[in-house]
Order: sequence, then structure tokens, then C-alpha cells
Amino acid sequence: TQLLEQSPQFLSIQEGENLTVYCNSSSVFSSLQWYRQEPGEGPVLLVTVVTGGEVKKLKRLTFQFGDARKDSSLHITAAQPGDTGLYLCAVFVRGYQKVTFGTGTKLQVIP
Amino acid sequence: NAGVTQTPKFQVLKTGQSMTLQCAQDMNHEYMSWYRQDPGMGLRLIHYSVGAGITDQGEVPNGYNVSRSTTEDFPLRLLSAAPSQTSVYFCASSYSYPWGRQETQYFGPGTRLLVL
Repeated sequence: TQLLEQSPQFLSIQEGENLTVYCNSSSVFSSLQWYRQEPGEGPVLLVTVVTGGEVKKLKRLTFQFGDARKDSSLHITAAQPGDTGLYLCAVFVRGYQKVTFGTGTKLQVIP
Repeated sequence: NAGVTQTPKFQVLKTGQSMTLQCAQDMNHEYMSWYRQDPGMGLRLIHYSVGAGITDQGEVPNGYNVSRSTTEDFPLRLLSAAPSQTSVYFCASSYSYPWGRQETQYFGPGTRLLVL
């Protein structure tokens, strides 16, 4: 079983639409990160959230960490073709010396 | 700064062959790691290093060896390639170990490996 469940797995939308992707778990995390990976490239960090209920904005992207620090969401307003990519969440689990990644949401924004 | 570089970009191996995937970073990062990425499986940690001379296993270490003789380089060795090792391999580095901290991991562009 996956520690992190990301949904949806795939999303294809038209330019200008809004969307939300989710990262869920039954475990509590000390912090959570969101990465974007473009085809043929490595992941690039977008944001780190550390406090339950925290909301961070990065231009048209809004990230929220759940109050109980078990889940997170990423909302994109007015999606652009440049937003196309694989969105990965990653967490640090207390007591484990590693970062665990979710399986990702593959987003395609059609012009 | 070149960041994290990986070579080769693509490689085809026959079952049983050995090879080394190269990874280098020029950011003076202490922490380096290797992941493999497979469809539907996400990124899985193979091995990691918290500094020169120190390495440890991740969640999928079987069939792979690593060493860290310098801060800059962290090669990944496949001892006897198997079709199950067909994957995309990413090297990453960060200033310090990322667990329990808000460290940014910087990823290389990846090596695509096909084992026939």
C-alpha cells in the first residue's frame, strides 16, 4: 500500500480552467512538499508546507496543508499549457531517514 | 553552477551486464541520493549518502551499489543488470539530509535505462 495517495492520477483540461489535485494519507507528517516534473526532466520543488492549515500561494498555484497534517491540496487557477507536467507530493515521516513520494498526478493543459 | 548532472542520458544493457550511472553536483551539498521512477510507483529511494564516505540503503537497494569518495560525486553501480531494473534513474542532492527539515532536493535530468 502507498503511504501517499494522489488523485486524480490523470487530468486533461482546457487552458483557462481551474483544477485541484490532492495528496492524502492516514499518517501525520511534519512537513509536505510539492514538486512538478516536466517530461524528460527531474522534479523541481514548488513549495514546502509545515504547519497544519497553512496556505501558500505561488502565482496561480495555491497549496494547502490539512489541519491534521495528513493531507494537502494544490489548486491551479486559470491553467496554462506551461502548467503541464507531473505533480508529486513528498513527505518526511518521523523516524524514517527518507523522503517518500506519491505516485503523482499527470496534468495536461490543452491550448 | 551546473547543478546536478547525470550521465549517460540513455543506456541499453543486456541482462547480466554491469554499468555505472554517474552523478555529480557542484553545489557543495552533503546529502545525495538515487531514486528510480517507474509508472504507477512514484519515486523510490535506492541509496543515499549524508556525506563523503557515508552511504546507506533506501527502500529498494537490491542489485545496486554506491560509494561516495568525494562530496561532488555519487555513482550508482548495477552489478548484474536484470529486466526489472528497466527504469528512469534520478540523482538528487540537498544541502543537508532532508528528513525532518525543509530542505530542497535538486534533481538531475535522469538516466533512462532499458535492460533487455
